[in-house]
Amino acid sequence: GNSVTQMEGPVTLSEEAFLTINCTYTATGYPSLFWYVQYPGEGLQLLLKATKADDKGSNKGFEATYRKETTSFHLEKGSVQVSDSAVYFCALIPTGANNLFFGTGTRLTVIP
Amino acid sequence: EPEVTQTPSHQVTQMGQEVILRCVPISNHLYFYWYRQILGQKVEFLVSFYNNEISEKSEIFDDQFSVERPDGSNFTLKIRSTKLEDSAMYFCASSDRQGGNQPQHFGDGTRLSIL
Repeated sequence: GNSVTQMEGPVTLSEEAFLTINCTYTATGYPSLFWYVQYPGEGLQLLLKATKADDKGSNKGFEATYRKETTSFHLEKGSVQVSDSAVYFCALIPTGANNLFFGTGTRLTVIP
Repeated sequence: EPEVTQTPSHQVTQMGQEVILRCVPISNHLYFYWYRQILGQKVEFLVSFYNNEISEKSEIFDDQFSVERPDGSNFTLKIRSTKLEDSAMYFCASSDRQGGNQPQHFGDGTRLSIL
C-alpha cells in the first residue's frame, strides 16, 4: 500500500539552528512527493515538491531531495527562524492517482 | 493570491443530525477534494470530484457522505446522520489539473464537533 512515515515530534529548536525532519515513504512506482506546512490557525500550504528521483524541491530556504534508493524525502533548512514555527506534513501522490497520502505531521517550535 | 475558502470555521452538531460543510474552490480549478484529520491522526483522503461526479473515494466515504457542486462556485460535503467519530477537521482542496505534478490548494478547514 501507500504510506508516509514522519519523524515524531514535537521538535524545538533555537533560532538559526539547523533543521531536519525525516520522511520515508512506501509506494509502488514513482510517486510525487510533497511537503506541506500548516501555520497556527491556517490551512495546509504547499511548501515544496519533487516529482522524480534525485529532484530537489526548495522554497523559503527549505529543501528536500527525492531519494528513490532510500525511499526518503527529508526536509532541511540551514537556519530556522521563529516564523518557521508550524506543523510540517510530508505527503505523496502515487503514480496514476490524484489523492494525497499524508504523514502524521511534525510540530516545529523555534524559540528566540 | 487566490484562495480556497471554507465555512464555517467551526461547526458544533448533535449526533444524528445532518451537517453540510461548504467550500469555495479557486475559481479556475476543475478538480476538488475533501480530506479530514481526526485529532492526533493523519490527514486522510475522503473523495475527489471532477466534471460533476465523484472520480475517486476512500473507504471512509460511505453512504453517510455525499458531495455536491450546487452552483458554479460552491463545493459541499454533507454528512447525513453524524456520529461521534465524525468529529474532525475537514479540509477542502482544489487543483487546476490532476496528477502528481499539480499541487492541491487547501482551505483553512472546518472543525466539526459532534456532541
